[in-house]
Amino acid sequence: EPEVTQTPSHQVTQMGQEVILRCVPISNHLYFYWYRQILGQKVEFLVSFYNNEISEKSEIFDDQFSVERPDGSNFTLKIRSTKLEDSAMYFCASRDQGNQPQHFGDGTRLSIL
Amino acid sequence: AQSVTQPDIHITVSEGASLELRCNYSYGATPYLFWYVQSPGQGLQLLLKYFSGDTLVQGIKGFEAEFKRSQSSFNLRKPSVHWSDAAEYFCAVGINNAGNMLTFGGGTRLMVKP
Repeated sequence: EPEVTQTPSHQVTQMGQEVILRCVPISNHLYFYWYRQILGQKVEFLVSFYNNEISEKSEIFDDQFSVERPDGSNFTLKIRSTKLEDSAMYFCASRDQGNQPQHFGDGTRLSIL
Repeated sequence: AQSVTQPDIHITVSEGASLELRCNYSYGATPYLFWYVQSPGQGLQLLLKYFSGDTLVQGIKGFEAEFKRSQSSFNLRKPSVHWSDAAEYFCAVGINNAGNMLTFGGGTRLMVKP
């Protein structure tokens, strides 16, 4: 069964550094998402992306965050200047058009030191 | 804005016993409803979904859930729990807007006693 894949599985970064989290969505999917889960808290929506533009974003997704689909297969989340509170598990998801569920990757654990 | 409540943070059941995990949502219209399961160190795996139609939906691994509009609930059930079902379970609500973002509940951690 096709899967959403995320790399790396664990990223350790110094505060203030830029980080890029990578995702390969399921190949025929058209909608892409990032969520995060701070340890012990709920999974929170960050951003959705369709047709090469952001379709919705949450309050968390401020100017420090950006997303990109640089080619036909990758979907990236960039955090420009990381803060301690950005430490979390980041999940990528994708779905097909129509009434279809989102399929999630295994996540990238981001640790900011 | 929509919200999801999972009242039980932890549940422990004996292997072979039945299971019901509660989920209540708040949304003005009929939402899309989902249950996901997360094993330690893993991502979120879809168990089942409700978009419309039959309010009792079947999912993978022997799970089912029932949408009750009058109670704004979407409880997850399994008649006989296996030790491998120990995990965290998340209920989620989606709405039909441009982004179709999901709003998650806080999760219920299921432990299974031998």
